[in-house]
Amino acid sequence: DIQLTQSPSFLSASVGDRVTITCRASLGFSSYLAWYQQKPGKPPKVLIYAASTLQSGVPSRFSGSGSGTEFTLTISSLQPEDFATYYCQQLNSYPYSFGQGTKLEIK
Amino acid sequence: EVQLLESGGDLVQPGGSLRLSCAASGFPFGGHAMDWVRQAPGAGLEWVAAVSGSGTNTYYAGSVKGRFTISRDNSKNIVYLQMGSLTADDTAVYYCAKPVGGWYFDVWGPGTLVTVSS
Repeated sequence: DIQLTQSPSFLSASVGDRVTITCRASLGFSSYLAWYQQKPGKPPKVLIYAASTLQSGVPSRFSGSGSGTEFTLTISSLQPEDFATYYCQQLNSYPYSFGQGTKLEIK
Repeated sequence: EVQLLESGGDLVQPGGSLRLSCAASGFPFGGHAMDWVRQAPGAGLEWVAAVSGSGTNTYYAGSVKGRFTISRDNSKNIVYLQMGSLTADDTAVYYCAKPVGGWYFDVWGPGTLVTVSS
């Protein structure tokens, strides 16, 4: 089974900052990795899939990269609506798995 | 519009059983796998189970294998999650989700709350 570990678990940042979240996998795989944003009381929303493909309608300040065992999500210039919790997910093999989440808070 | 709507969440005693349903609309249901994901209060997302479009193939997280059964009725556009031997650790909001190939989950339901408590 593939375990995903996100870092950091908590991130405090300001509007306009550039932030990067890392997702490390216990086993390497190619690009079956997605990133989601979740706000309180709502289901997750996909931002990035195939490690680096921006989902339609998602602002271009979000980007993803990586392969193998290390993947990253970058937000180039934080906006007020970006403060939320972010999860990576691997769909390379069953059982699918999520990272533990990164909560992005306003500094 | 593509929609998923879960139902069946309830308060259940430890050791009990419960069946969740997820009604789908707006897409060719039988052509898509379907998944369940859960989220315990204040915790992260946990993938639970998946079923292929035909219903032939099923997959489970280790934490629920042998206790939960995923199934579907393509004539009714419904996916089910039969849960048994429930413990407090199964307390969570349960979401059904529609995968896009093996790439990501593009549609999620609003979730249904399962509480396991005496």
